[in-house]
Amino acid sequence: EAQVTQNPRYLITVTGKKLTVTCSQNMNHEYMSWYRQDPGLGLRQIYYSMNVEVTDKGDVPEGYKVSRKEKRNFPLILESPSPNQTSLYFCASSLSGTVSSYEQYFGPGTRLTVT
Amino acid sequence: AQTVTQSQPEMSVQEAETVTLSCTYDTSENNYYLFWYKQPPSRQMILVIRQEAYKQQNATENRFSVNFQKAAKSFSLKISDSQLGDTAMYFCASSGEIQGAQKLVFGQGTRLTINP
Repeated sequence: EAQVTQNPRYLITVTGKKLTVTCSQNMNHEYMSWYRQDPGLGLRQIYYSMNVEVTDKGDVPEGYKVSRKEKRNFPLILESPSPNQTSLYFCASSLSGTVSSYEQYFGPGTRLTVT
Repeated sequence: AQTVTQSQPEMSVQEAETVTLSCTYDTSENNYYLFWYKQPPSRQMILVIRQEAYKQQNATENRFSVNFQKAAKSFSLKISDSQLGDTAMYFCASSGEIQGAQKLVFGQGTRLTINP
């Protein structure tokens, strides 16, 4: 089954404790992206990747890191989480990052709480 | 820059009624696409319908249709014969290319409740 997977689905952590949210897709998509969803703000892009080893900042990149060492994986790293990073996080992928008509496929979401 | 605005935070209708969700957008792109996504309580993001900006004909998918007014930069979603399973958060989004990269920008969302 074609899908985007994320782990963990739920995470409660404390301020300053490094964490990684994994994202993997099995559709051989070139483009991958991370979003955060907050009430009243919709989804906002954190980082995106056009292909392996190519990443760039989205609209809200502060406090996050990403890497794209393999085509299928795009982990999101919070090196020192803070309470304002409490949010619902989505990973998404698309066949190509240069064609705006291509649908983005979303993972199931990760609910992160930082205390 | 792309912006998308959904001015209705919440809506509620009775089952079988027709409901229209509003969305306005702004973009400097000539070639762009518009989407409606549904997010049920499971939180999964599900594509409902897509509209190419260069097409004048409004997109339709079963009970879902859009009213695309390009000059007014308006993109509303109409749900006919609403069902309990339509209860969800709905996001309007626009997609264009920024510096050669696909960019998907979302509105704030409208929480739709279908009452039995």
